[in-house]
Amino acid sequence: RLQLQESGPGLVKPSETLSLICAVSGASISSSDFYWGWIRQSPGMGLEWIGSFHSSGILYFNPSLKSRVTISVDTSKNHLALKMTSMTAADRALYYCARGLSASSDYYGDGSFDFWGQGTLVTVSS
Amino acid sequence: DLTQPSSVSVSPGQTATITCYADNLSYQFVCWYQQRPGQSPRLIIYQDNKRPSGIPERFSGSNSGNTATLTISGAQAMDEADYYCQTWDTTTVLFGGGTKVTVL
Repeated sequence: RLQLQESGPGLVKPSETLSLICAVSGASISSSDFYWGWIRQSPGMGLEWIGSFHSSGILYFNPSLKSRVTISVDTSKNHLALKMTSMTAADRALYYCARGLSASSDYYGDGSFDFWGQGTLVTVSS
Repeated sequence: DLTQPSSVSVSPGQTATITCYADNLSYQFVCWYQQRPGQSPRLIIYQDNKRPSGIPERFSGSNSGNTATLTISGAQAMDEADYYCQTWDTTTVLFGGGTKVTVL
């Protein structure tokens, strides 16, 4: 059974770097059958895509966040990592990781996310 | 941008229609998510009109011209939630602003 479990510090100071982990069980993060994404949601607001990763090494990022975001994987631990620099109060949000299904002819398939974690709340405050 | 109405109201048993607008939207696949209060988003429509396993048949989707539409036929109280459309243009994921569906 697929499970995605996000974890992180909960609270970061302004200007610091956020580091989050998404622990994946029930699927291999190295599999070419899937892609993985980070999405966030500010309280009471809509969804904002942060970036996506495929085991081919091809990554895509939200252009508005690209300069601040790093996505990586640790295949030995089967987890996905997100780093976001220069955090501000505007980055306060619930951060989700999610999985999508690749297509035989396209690493990123139709771009949808068929399974989501429960999310981890990040607050930015001194 | 993907433009959605901020809210839609529907009576139980009636049909709710949620739109998602962008120029030439039909050139891309659209998917839809349902997000109940306090829960993570759940994929309910992908590739314009396909339902994942376990999604009730009362949910259907279409995409034509500049508008994609999510239809809830015979709305139930449990369908009260926020609904988001999403596209993928081969490099960028884009979400609509979301529509709050109220069943009353």
